[in-house]
Amino acid sequence: TQLLEQSPQFLSIQEGENLTVYCNSSSVFSSLQWYRQEPGEGPVLLVTVVTGGEVKKLKRLTFQFGDARKDSSLHITAAQPGDTGLYLCAGAHDYKLSFGAGTTVTVRA
Amino acid sequence: NAGVMQNPRHLVRRRGQEARLRCSPMKGHSHVYWYRQLPEEGLKFMVYLQKENIIDESGMPKERFSAEFPKEGPSILRIQQVVRGDSAAYFCASSPIQGEGFTEAFFGQGTRLTVV
Repeated sequence: TQLLEQSPQFLSIQEGENLTVYCNSSSVFSSLQWYRQEPGEGPVLLVTVVTGGEVKKLKRLTFQFGDARKDSSLHITAAQPGDTGLYLCAGAHDYKLSFGAGTTVTVRA
Repeated sequence: NAGVMQNPRHLVRRRGQEARLRCSPMKGHSHVYWYRQLPEEGLKFMVYLQKENIIDESGMPKERFSAEFPKEGPSILRIQQVVRGDSAAYFCASSPIQGEGFTEAFFGQGTRLTVV
């Protein structure tokens, strides 16, 4: 059983469309991280959110941490083929990260 | 400013051999973590080390697996007498000195172990 549930598992959209990926848990985390992983590579840190209700923007990516610090969402505006990849959320309990299974995003040109 | 460096990137071992995976953390980082990613599964925590200390090895299989982070040199994850089920991607991550209740970890590119 995953501590963090990500949805959807797969997402395929056309270039220019928007998408949202969700990360939910029954646990409270001290912080939550979003990573993107490409085939054959390691996860690359996109953002860390710490405060309940926090919203962070990174160009076309918007990250939100739930008020209760149990869930998060990643929204991509006007997706591009370069956004294709596996998006992972990870919740932190002290030093230990618990990862979701990931959402595979494919953006078609 | 080099990131987390892992080597080798790919490692093939026959059943019963030993696998040694190396990880050099980012400059200035004193905390090292190893995670394993099995096919179609998420990353699972294995062990957390600081220089010369194993802090938490609760995710390590009880037998055949060991890890160290010596005073000098890289962190080593050792798997003895490998079996096919050990085939996976092994990732090392590092972080700077911990702030209270806060963790930000940076991952290496991983070592893909294949046991034949």
